[in-house]
Amino acid sequence: DTGVSQNPRHKITKRGQNVTFRCDPISEHNRLYWYRQTLGQGPEFLTYFQNEAQLEKSRLLSDRFSAERPKGSFSTLEIQRTEQGDSAMYLCASSYTNTEAFFGQGTRLTVV
Amino acid sequence: AQKVTQAQTEISVVEKEDVTLDCVYETRDTTYYLFWYKQPPSGELVFLIRRNSFDEQNEISGRYSWNFQKSTSSFNFTITASQVVDSAVYFCALSDMNRDDKIIFGKGTRLHILP
Repeated sequence: DTGVSQNPRHKITKRGQNVTFRCDPISEHNRLYWYRQTLGQGPEFLTYFQNEAQLEKSRLLSDRFSAERPKGSFSTLEIQRTEQGDSAMYLCASSYTNTEAFFGQGTRLTVV
Repeated sequence: AQKVTQAQTEISVVEKEDVTLDCVYETRDTTYYLFWYKQPPSGELVFLIRRNSFDEQNEISGRYSWNFQKSTSSFNFTITASQVVDSAVYFCALSDMNRDDKIIFGKGTRLHILP
C-alpha cells in the first residue's frame, strides 16, 4: 500500500462547471477526511466518514459541496457550480480509529 | 472552541543552526492529541508526531525534538543541526481524543534553511 491517493492532482475548470475529486485511502483505514487549504493557511476541515457514514460536516461545506464514500472504501468530493472562491488545494486523509491520519498529495483546483 | 496559534509566520536560519517552531493551543477538552505535520513544496502533508494530553514527556527522534508543556499550553518543535531538506511549512495541530474526528490546524510556519 503506497498511502492515500488523490486524483486528479490538478484541475482547472471554468466558473459554473461541476468538478469531482477522488480519494483512495490506505486500505483498512475506516476513517476518511476531507480538508481544504488555501494559500498561506493551514488545512481546514470539511467533512469526515467512518466507514460509509458521513459523521460530520463543517459549515464551510456549502450546499454546492457533496461527499460520498460508498461501501466505505474510496470517497468522492463533488463541487457543483464552481466559484472562484472554491480555488484551493483539497486534501484527503485516512486513519484507523484512534491512530494518526495520513494525508494524500491533494488536488489543486483552479476556477477561472 | 479549539484553536492552534503558530505566531511565527516565516523563519530563516543558516544550515546547521538549531531552530525552534512555537505552537500554542487552546481547548476546553481535557483529553486531546497534539500533532506536527511537515508540508514540503510537493504539497503532501507528512505526519511527524502525535502526542496525547496525558503524556508530557519530551520526545526526541533523531534531529527532531518536541517539548510539550501543559501549563503553558505549548507544544514546541526543535530541529537541531538543520539541513536544507528541512525547508518546508510546518503545521501544529490539535484534535479531541474522545471524538477523534477533525484535526484543527494552525496557520503554519514556513521554514527556510539557507545553505
